[in-house]
Amino acid sequence: GAVVSQHPSWVICKSGTSVKIECRSLDFQATTMFWYRQFPKQSLMLMATSNEGSKATYEQGVEKDKFLINHASLTLSTLTVTSAHPEDSSFYICSARDLKGGVSYEQYFGPGTRLTVT
Amino acid sequence: GQSLEQPSEVTAVEGAIVQINCTYQTSGFYGLSWYQQHDGGAPTFLSYNALDGLEETGRFSSFLSRSDSYGYLLLQELQMKDSASYFCAVTPMEYGNKLVFGAGTILRVKS
Repeated sequence: GAVVSQHPSWVICKSGTSVKIECRSLDFQATTMFWYRQFPKQSLMLMATSNEGSKATYEQGVEKDKFLINHASLTLSTLTVTSAHPEDSSFYICSARDLKGGVSYEQYFGPGTRLTVT
Repeated sequence: GQSLEQPSEVTAVEGAIVQINCTYQTSGFYGLSWYQQHDGGAPTFLSYNALDGLEETGRFSSFLSRSDSYGYLLLQELQMKDSASYFCAVTPMEYGNKLVFGAGTILRVKS
């Protein structure tokens, strides 16, 4: 199956700093990638839809100036958490769907990035 | 909008069969998906139902009834490695790209 990677897998940063998380589709092209946030023992909450070559679409309640998304190519999307605070500590997961999918039902998920803000 | 409800936790013994239900309220969707997630890991795709009925993939089967707004995931011959969280999700017609997830069901398999 299709492979999605994320980097870093975990990161600890100090309050007020910014952190960039990369999401790559390794063996397919993804016009659309998705960023999720997941708290322990909870479901995946969609934060934004990242579209190659255009602006991301943010879900209601997600601050676009705090969570900057860039989808520079068909295989790479980045999420930057700006001026991170302890409440931003979470598990961030990206996913992508195959360009050939049409209305593809299957999304391929990255392994996630655990962010801890101290 | 969309909402999906699942039991929070299910416990079963090795070798048994377990059914995880998903009831939903949605204005319209393309299909119902199921994902498995082990602790600290990435969700992985298990099954998809676009039409009513049963889809079988090895030990896992999934069922959808649109008239009853209901679906389920059936796991047979349970193994310890099946202990994980299971999420149902829909692809809403309003937003064809997105997945909207249920709250998830923690499955604990005992020996």
